[in-house]
Amino acid sequence: GQQLNQSPQSMFIQEGEDVSMNCTSSSIFNTWLWYKQEPGEGPVLLIALYKAGELTSNGRLTAQFGITRKDSFLNISASIPSDVGIYFCAGQLESGTYKYIFGTGTRLKVLA
Amino acid sequence: EPEVTQTPSHQVTQMGQEVILRCVPISNHLYFYWYRQILGQKVEFLVSFYNNEISEKSEIFDDQFSVERPDGSNFTLKIRSTKLEDSAMYFCASSVRDSPRTDTQYFGPGTRLTVL
Repeated sequence: GQQLNQSPQSMFIQEGEDVSMNCTSSSIFNTWLWYKQEPGEGPVLLIALYKAGELTSNGRLTAQFGITRKDSFLNISASIPSDVGIYFCAGQLESGTYKYIFGTGTRLKVLA
Repeated sequence: EPEVTQTPSHQVTQMGQEVILRCVPISNHLYFYWYRQILGQKVEFLVSFYNNEISEKSEIFDDQFSVERPDGSNFTLKIRSTKLEDSAMYFCASSVRDSPRTDTQYFGPGTRLTVL
């Protein structure tokens, strides 16, 4: 099946540092979304991207839909302890399906 | 802010028993989904539902699974005869799908299913 590869798998950073993570695939996507999941909870939408090249910000978060439509990145600036969690990318394939394919997740830990 | 809600938050059942997981999607949403997440793994699509019909399903969604919208607010996932490997978090999601390119799905908090 289609695969979304996320990197890095995990990150330990100091509070105040910037974070960058990305998602890549061999398939073309129509939509990219970034979700954050905290232990025992459901994914919470952070940013949705609908056009190739689109760059969107949500507070300290910035995400971009890659020009090739096969990748996306998420940046978090000036990280704070509450940024801790697992960040998932998700996408909808070009083929017209509406199901989301989720990435493997990036586990972020912020050291105060 | 409207939310997707799910009940129960945790369900423990014996292998072979039937379980029904319940979801209340966001009220003006028309498209409904179930996903599952086995502990420590990524979220996987199970099924999508629109206009009282299944729109799409994955290979995971076999004959043991069924979905229903029994009334105007609830959306349920039934597992007829649970197996140990059905233990997972089950997430309901809903969307309004303004256009084919803007289907933003909002997820509920999940039901943790434990099959003993």
